Amino acid sequence: EVQLVESGGGLVQPGGSLRLSCAASGFTFSSYEMNWVRQAPGKGLEWVSYISSSGSTIYYADSVKGRFTISRDNAKNSLYLQMNSLRAEDTAVYYCARASYSSGRYYFDYWGQGTLVTVSS
Amino acid sequence: DIQMTQSPSSLSASVGDRVTITCQASQDISNYLNWYQQKPGKAPKLLIYDASNLETGVPSRFSGSGSGTDFTFTISSLQPEDIATYYCQQYDNLPQVTFGPGTKVDIK
Repeated sequence: EVQLVESGGGLVQPGGSLRLSCAASGFTFSSYEMNWVRQAPGKGLEWVSYISSSGSTIYYADSVKGRFTISRDNAKNSLYLQMNSLRAEDTAVYYCARASYSSGRYYFDYWGQGTLVTVSS
Repeated sequence: DIQMTQSPSSLSASVGDRVTITCQASQDISNYLNWYQQKPGKAPKLLIYDASNLETGVPSRFSGSGSGTDFTFTISSLQPEDIATYYCQQYDNLPQVTFGPGTKVDIK
């Protein structure tokens, strides 16, 4: 069974840092592209960042570029999001999501349960 | 950047009703569109991929259609367990995807 379990969320002051983790199991983690998606309280879904299966290709949303860093450790079946210079508008539930891509089709087929990040003084 | 809009933002319908949600892209995205269902407090779940393909295990009362800039998501007969927010997602500009703002569906 595919499982994605996020951790590392919590309360942090503006300007602070936090590192999120996503532990993957039930599939060959090193074969899949991964993403972080966030959802502010009562709001919609916002794609945050992407990392290729090898970790060699990375993309960020403009809203987090220069402040967040995505990474992965395929030996540990883990995905990470290092978040620096946090702002109140970064407050959200952060989901890791597995991307499946074949025959031109692309979708997020598995999601974690999410971890809440609250940026407040 | 490709912008996505959805309408309506919310709707209320009776059990058994046919429910239709539209999603519009700011530019032609071919059929590069997915639909997700998100129940309160839960992660999103993929329902439809490539605009019209039903994900394995998803009930056949859910369907999708469209291409280019205009897409439609339909629940043919609304069930109580369908109460959720539904999001479209474009993937024309991989890997930077964009979600629509969502449509909240509840029971009248």
